Amino acid sequence: DVKVTQSSRYLVKRTGEKVFLECVQDMDHENMFWYRQDPGLGLRLIYFSYDVKMKEKGDIPEGYSVSREKKERFSLILESASTNQTSMYLCASSFPGQKANYGYTFGSGTRLTVV
Amino acid sequence: AQTVTQSQPEMSVQEAETVTLSCTYDTSENNYYLFWYKQPPSRQMILVIRQEAYKQQNATENRFSVNFQKAAKSFSLKISDSQLGDTAMYFCAFMKLHRDDKIIFGKGTRLHILP
Repeated sequence: DVKVTQSSRYLVKRTGEKVFLECVQDMDHENMFWYRQDPGLGLRLIYFSYDVKMKEKGDIPEGYSVSREKKERFSLILESASTNQTSMYLCASSFPGQKANYGYTFGSGTRLTVV
Repeated sequence: AQTVTQSQPEMSVQEAETVTLSCTYDTSENNYYLFWYKQPPSRQMILVIRQEAYKQQNATENRFSVNFQKAAKSFSLKISDSQLGDTAMYFCAFMKLHRDDKIIFGKGTRLHILP
């Protein structure tokens, strides 16, 4: 069964800490995505990557950066965590061009609390 | 820019009833995909159904079907014979055909199936 694995289900971090959220997929997917999910706001795209070492800003990149050194791994970095970054973070991957399978495979999410 | 609107933040129906979730979208694209995703309390996002814009026939997956009205830019989800396990957050989503296959999500409808 194909999988997208997020390393932590719950995280609690202090304001000002550098935070790493890790995501690994085992499907050889080219594209990977980081979204944050907040009540009443749905899912908003932070960053995405369509190839190793490639990254593109999404709709809300401020305060975040990403790293993709290997195809299977896409990391979201909060350089200096702030309380307004308390949220659910969802990682997803996809293989563009697989028409029959358009749509993402999601990880199970990381609920981050910044105190 | 594309937008996706779900006008029903929350709904409740009795088990075994049929329920319809509404979704409208805005785009100038002619070829695209639409999706409904389900997020149960476990948080795992699951693809429920996908629809290609240039296909006239409405997609169906078991008890789930859509009413796709391209001219009206409407994409509603019908759940027949609803079950307790259908209780979840449902997201309508749009994807234009592009290399980076970004998906834009609506804000979601929280559906409660009552025993």
